[in-house]
Amino acid sequence: AQSVAQPEDQVNVAEGNPLTVKCTYSVSGNPYLFWYVQYPNRGLQFLLKYITGDNLVKGSYGFEAEFNKSQTSFHLKKPSALVSDSALYFCAVRPNQAGTALIFGKGTTLSVSS
Amino acid sequence: NAGVTQTPKFQVLKTGQSMTLQCAQDMNHNSMYWYRQDPGMGLRLIYYSASEGTTDKGEVPNGYNVSRLNKREFSLRLESAAPSQTSVYFCASREGSRYEQYFGPGTRLTVT
Repeated sequence: AQSVAQPEDQVNVAEGNPLTVKCTYSVSGNPYLFWYVQYPNRGLQFLLKYITGDNLVKGSYGFEAEFNKSQTSFHLKKPSALVSDSALYFCAVRPNQAGTALIFGKGTTLSVSS
Repeated sequence: NAGVTQTPKFQVLKTGQSMTLQCAQDMNHNSMYWYRQDPGMGLRLIYYSASEGTTDKGEVPNGYNVSRLNKREFSLRLESAAPSQTSVYFCASREGSRYEQYFGPGTRLTVT
């Protein structure tokens, strides 16, 4: 079965420190991978995607993600966390089939303390 | 550009009542989606529409119906609401040549 796993329900980091939010996937074929962020009482906002090419993808608000095919991972990173980065983060995968929608992970709450 | 809009923002229903959640997008996107979000479960796809005139079931379609009224609008109907349908519902759309989806602000539904 195709799936996405976010192994951590919550990640805590101090402001100014680097952050990593983990994501692993299981799909057949080449995956299309995404990260979204959700602030309280808001819809999901697109951060970045990996379709093909360079394994390091840069996105909005200083976030980046590294695609690792051998480890089937797509971890979200930021060199220096801000308190305003505190939110719920979702990893998603689009199986490489026409007409199918995204499969989302269960989400990871990022808490950045000042 | 309003993007993806959803109405209503909040709704409380009694068990057995019916209602329709409305979604509209002004980005000329072909594909539209309905998800529900429950704590600890991420987003789960209810129905989607790859193009005007077509709809397909997602992971959790039972108890729901959809209508792709035109290219802009995609509505979700609960014919007989149940407490298990208490959730936050998100509509999303996608341009054909891109893969990311754009989400509306959500509808928070409580069924008592």
